[in-house]
Amino acid sequence: DSGVTQTPKHLITATGQRVTLRCSPRSGDLSVYWYQQSLDQGLQFLIQYYNGEERAKGNILERFSAQQFPDLHSELNLSSLELGDSALYFCASSVVEGREQFFGPGTRLTVL
Amino acid sequence: SQKIEQNSEALNIQEGKTATLTCNYTNYSPAYLQWYRQDPGRGPVFLLLIRENEKEKRKERLKVTFDTTLKQSLFHITASQPADSATYLCALAFTWPNQAGTALIFGKGTTLSVSS
Repeated sequence: DSGVTQTPKHLITATGQRVTLRCSPRSGDLSVYWYQQSLDQGLQFLIQYYNGEERAKGNILERFSAQQFPDLHSELNLSSLELGDSALYFCASSVVEGREQFFGPGTRLTVL
Repeated sequence: SQKIEQNSEALNIQEGKTATLTCNYTNYSPAYLQWYRQDPGRGPVFLLLIRENEKEKRKERLKVTFDTTLKQSLFHITASQPADSATYLCALAFTWPNQAGTALIFGKGTTLSVSS
């Protein structure tokens, strides 16, 4: 158990819908990262927050957004969903940026 | 742009042998290189981190080397066991231009199968 929690574990929805994925980092970790993993693309960095502030953006679509709250939990919002958004979404946290990251169990999103 | 390549998608070895996985990168000079293990449907688990000024790092049956001239890291599992069967991911810490944060760029991974 990494100490990072993610909910829900599974999400099935339809194209055009909007969903919210939730992540709680390890106790004491201020950095939260979101990744998308699909079979053909591997693990792709989406966005990073540090103590409530956005720090880096990777390959994140404009339809996706995230935030980190004062209690350090984070939410990833995915809107206008397309079939190609079906993937595993992981949250990770770290004590120091660039160092080892601890991953949650992931949310499997299926868009029908 | 930065690129990380793990040059084998799959590696099959016999129990007891040493597994060697390769990670090559281009267009970047990372301060750290990391290795993770991922089991199907689960989140990656951190294994080892090696700094650019370290040639080798060991942890139990695991050994990582880092050659910044060749831009390559080798990951070894000695005395491999069926329980070592998993996908192993190489990752570099990367700071995006004009952005404050540092995140990880991952290779696509090598799936190791250890047969008894």
